[in-house]
Amino acid sequence: QKEVEQDPGPLSVPEGAIVSLNCTYSNSAFQYFMWYRQYSRKGPELLMYTYSSGNKEDGRFTAQVDKSSKYISLFIRDSQPSDSATYLCALTQGGSEKLVFGKGMKLTVNP
Amino acid sequence: DAGITQSPRHKVTETGTPVTLRCHQTENHRYMYWYRQDPGHGLRLIHYSYGVKDTDKGEVSDGYSVSRSKTEDFLLTLESATSSQTSVYFCAIRTRSADTQYFGPGTRLTVL
Repeated sequence: QKEVEQDPGPLSVPEGAIVSLNCTYSNSAFQYFMWYRQYSRKGPELLMYTYSSGNKEDGRFTAQVDKSSKYISLFIRDSQPSDSATYLCALTQGGSEKLVFGKGMKLTVNP
Repeated sequence: DAGITQSPRHKVTETGTPVTLRCHQTENHRYMYWYRQDPGHGLRLIHYSYGVKDTDKGEVSDGYSVSRSKTEDFLLTLESATSSQTSVYFCAIRTRSADTQYFGPGTRLTVL
């Protein structure tokens, strides 16, 4: 079983849609959860960072962590064409030097 | 962008030639990382450094070596490039305040 599984894409939605991106993981030692956004031909940029179970909101973005189910989600409300990118989840254990990444899902928001 | 630059940004080389990629940071971070990103494989860790002259292997280190003689610079060397090393290479730093990493803009390497 892979440490992190990310829903395969690609995903195409109309502008204004609510988008849900998901990852599952197998190691209960993971404590920190991140979402990165990567535009075409750019480096990944940190979008959301969470520590505990529950929700964290930042504008149109909400990161959700369910440690009991080992499931993390990123919700995008009122999606915009500028949200078109690849989204990667990343997890780490506390104090670890390394991140474990999902393979990423490519999102296209159509005007 | 966490003050990370990579050079060169693009390189085309031939099989068997040595190649060195440079990562430079301006904020004195202790940890630096080299990843490669390929379709279907996502981001894979090649090597990382936890201080000057302190480095360790990642999951895909074969064919790569690294050096860090100064805090600000982390070099990735392909001793004898192969076509399987055609990829996009990203450098990253780890912040002191959280277990997160910030990435550079990437180097697109093509080995013919």
